[in-house]
Amino acid sequence: EAQVTQNPRYLITVTGKKLTVTCSQNMNHEYMSWYRQDPGLGLRQIYYSMNVEVTDKGDVPEGYKVSRKEKRNFPLILESPSPNQTSLYFCASSLNSWSSNTGELFFGEGSRLTVL
Amino acid sequence: DAKTTQPTSMDCAEGRAANLPCNHSTISGNEYVYWYRQIHSQGPQYIIHGLKNNETNEMASLIITEDRKSSTLILPHATLRDTAVYYCIGGFGNEKLTFGTGTRLTIIP
Repeated sequence: EAQVTQNPRYLITVTGKKLTVTCSQNMNHEYMSWYRQDPGLGLRQIYYSMNVEVTDKGDVPEGYKVSRKEKRNFPLILESPSPNQTSLYFCASSLNSWSSNTGELFFGEGSRLTVL
Repeated sequence: DAKTTQPTSMDCAEGRAANLPCNHSTISGNEYVYWYRQIHSQGPQYIIHGLKNNETNEMASLIITEDRKSSTLILPHATLRDTAVYYCIGGFGNEKLTFGTGTRLTIIP
């Protein structure tokens, strides 16, 4: 089954304790991206990747890191989490650029992160 | 900044057609317009996309104006399960993408 898998789905952590949210897709997609969703602010892009070893900042990259060493995986790293990073996070992937004819985005189920 | 403009909220009676408008005046010639919806806090779900011509699939129809600066998503016979937030995306001109706040559609029994 074609899917985007995120882990963990729920996490409560404390300020400063490094954490990684994993994202994996099984569709051989080139484009992958991370979003955070906060009440009243919609889905804001954190980072995106056009292909292996190619990543770039979205609108809200501060406090986050990513890597794309393999095509299928795109982990989101919070080196020193802070309470303002408490949010609902989504990973998404598409075959090609999101604005192309083959740009349908497939989303993971979301990861709800709470930083105390 | 979101490059699309949508109404914040809309209501539609169950069984009627729901028409959701979107302005995407900055869209470039080869950019597709995509529509997604999000039910509660689930991941957004693809609905439909188009470039110039009107499109229809099993979920919805998409009407794009000739100048491509706006479009309308049509749910022909809305059901309670269509209650969701609907996002129109397009007009960014690069690989960045932010969804904005979309239109909250409520289907009324």
